[in-house]
Amino acid sequence: SYVLSQPLSESVAPGKTARITCGGDDIGSKSVHWYQRKPGQAPVLVISYDNDRPSGIPERFSGSNSGSMATLVIRRVEAGDEADYFCQVWDRNTDHRVFGGGTKLTVL
Amino acid sequence: HLLEVGGALVKPGGSLRVTCEVSGFSFKDYDMSWIRQTPGRGLEWVSHISNKGESTNYAESVKGRFTVSRDNRGNSLYLQMDSLRSDDTATYFCARDRRGSGTHFFDHWGQGTVVTVSS
Repeated sequence: SYVLSQPLSESVAPGKTARITCGGDDIGSKSVHWYQRKPGQAPVLVISYDNDRPSGIPERFSGSNSGSMATLVIRRVEAGDEADYFCQVWDRNTDHRVFGGGTKLTVL
Repeated sequence: HLLEVGGALVKPGGSLRVTCEVSGFSFKDYDMSWIRQTPGRGLEWVSHISNKGESTNYAESVKGRFTVSRDNRGNSLYLQMDSLRSDDTATYFCARDRRGSGTHFFDHWGQGTVVTVSS
């Protein structure tokens, strides 16, 4: 089955840029989607199709995807961005949806 | 709007059905999925059902034990969970499953309902 790998945690100072990676075999050939989950809240789609922002998501959020790595980039990080972030792809071989293990973003 | 209900404390080997009540969009036009999250573990996709209910699929961890279904007239999604194990303990979310160009993703989620499997 297809596996996505994320670092357990990342830390960033307010106003700086956070980069959260998601690794997978030839992930660049797949569409990657990113979700934000804050404690006690429903997950929120923040990036779809590698780098599309749904309505209501700040322009500070962007993404890239190439080769074996996809990256979620959050510019001018704010305290309210502190959350768990998950990447996700669709595995066409199994028709399964696959999530990465999640990265806890801490704003210092 | 998606609202999960029915989470409970269940003994190992027991059964439980959780429901997702949907409003705010045309339920019958969209695929749906169940996803769970356990403390200390990430999100795990559990099951998918097509918009008309004709097609379903499951994660290997629940295949043969869980059954997804839907009532398009009543705008409800269901997950029947049988032979429950302690590692099924999780918050269960329903989500709208968007079929895109060569992909699937989730653009609306509920708040989740907690299922605890323990003796």
